[in-house]
Amino acid sequence: DTEVTQTPKHLVMGMTNKKSLKCEQHMGHRAMYWYKQKAKKPPELMFVYSYEKLSINESVPSRFSPECPNSSLLNLHLHALQPEDSALYLCASSQDGQGMGTEAFFGQGTRLTVV
Amino acid sequence: AQKVTQAQTEISVVEKEDVTLDCVYETRDTTYYLFWYKQPPSGELVFLIRRNSFDEQNEISGRYSWNFQKSTSSFNFTITASQVVDSAVYFCALSEVNYGGATNKLIFGTGTLLAVQP
Repeated sequence: DTEVTQTPKHLVMGMTNKKSLKCEQHMGHRAMYWYKQKAKKPPELMFVYSYEKLSINESVPSRFSPECPNSSLLNLHLHALQPEDSALYLCASSQDGQGMGTEAFFGQGTRLTVV
Repeated sequence: AQKVTQAQTEISVVEKEDVTLDCVYETRDTTYYLFWYKQPPSGELVFLIRRNSFDEQNEISGRYSWNFQKSTSSFNFTITASQVVDSAVYFCALSEVNYGGATNKLIFGTGTLLAVQP
């Protein structure tokens, strides 16, 4: 089962709202990722969790706050977003968190619109 | 610095034609990993292949084949007898391997939009 599940699939939120994106995998993967993808652009890495610890933060604004409650779950808490934050947010996981180049499996993403 | 270049922004072919998607990469690492992903309109990135820098053997999987050439820093992808279902954006990616305990960072090319016409 190579499945990464993201909820919700679509989200519209106002600039003063607080919302969370959720990601779940049951493949026993030890690394989980958040990527942001704008239209007609490649995905851009935001955060990496390795063995449930934040290992990479690509200088993401603090209005995005990641959380990894356990090895299967990854959340992205959103607060005071701007319209330019509207994008497809992709979660991914990979088996190995030690830089061994294992492939990442992606979820279907959450299409976020900030109004 | 690591970089992946996909010079073809869009390609349009007619069904049953063969098509090759180009990927050129730059890295100073001796150990690295290359990937191809497919992104259909639904948005999910679908893993297609992973290749490490020590394995230059070409690979064939059904209608898909990959040609890895370190001498030219290229990792090209060919679809034989294309089908409408192959229509998608295809991304080539390079994994920046971090041996300090952190994990991989995928560096994506800009993607190639493949449109297969019936």
